Amino acid sequence: GAVVSQHPSWVICKSGTSVKIECRSLDFQATTMFWYRQFPKQSLMLMATSNEGSKATYEQGVEKDKFLINHASLTLSTLTVTSAHPEDSSFYICSAPRTSGPYNEQFFGPGTRLTVL
Amino acid sequence: AQSVAQPEDQVNVAEGNPLTVKCTYSVSGNPYLFWYVQYPNRGLQFLLKYITGDNLVKGSYGFEAEFNKSQTSFHLKKPSALVSDSALYFCAVISNDYKLSFGAGTTVTVRA
Repeated sequence: GAVVSQHPSWVICKSGTSVKIECRSLDFQATTMFWYRQFPKQSLMLMATSNEGSKATYEQGVEKDKFLINHASLTLSTLTVTSAHPEDSSFYICSAPRTSGPYNEQFFGPGTRLTVL
Repeated sequence: AQSVAQPEDQVNVAEGNPLTVKCTYSVSGNPYLFWYVQYPNRGLQFLLKYITGDNLVKGSYGFEAEFNKSQTSFHLKKPSALVSDSALYFCAVISNDYKLSFGAGTTVTVRA
């Protein structure tokens, strides 16, 4: 199956610093990628849609200035958590559909565990 | 709005017994439904999907799901559970703009 990677797999940072998380599609091109956050033993909540060559679209309630998304190429999207605070601690997961059409399964990265001290 | 519900937080079964994880949906128009599984501290893995056609969908690792329009359900099943099936299972529905909406998840524990 298709492979989506994330880096880093875990990160610990101090409050007030910024953290960048990378999401790569390793064996396919993805014009669209999605970013989710997941709290322990809870469901995934869609944060934003990352679009290659254009601005990301954010879900209601997600601060776009806090969660900066850049889809620099057809295989890379980055999520930067700016001025992180303890409440931003979470598991962040990206996904990408391998083929066009909305009804094809998405492939998920392994996730990045962020802990803000 | 499209949504799915998973009425059970947890399902516990003995190894070798049938496993069922329930999911109901609420959508306008045709539903496009998915099941994913998540192992601890890992991303989601695709199990199967229903788009159209046969109501019984077969997927990965011996799982299958039955689409039931009259009951608006899409329950995941496995005839004989394994200890390695212990994980967090998510039902999801997808919209026309590729966005997945997930259920709350069901933790499956299969005891030896």
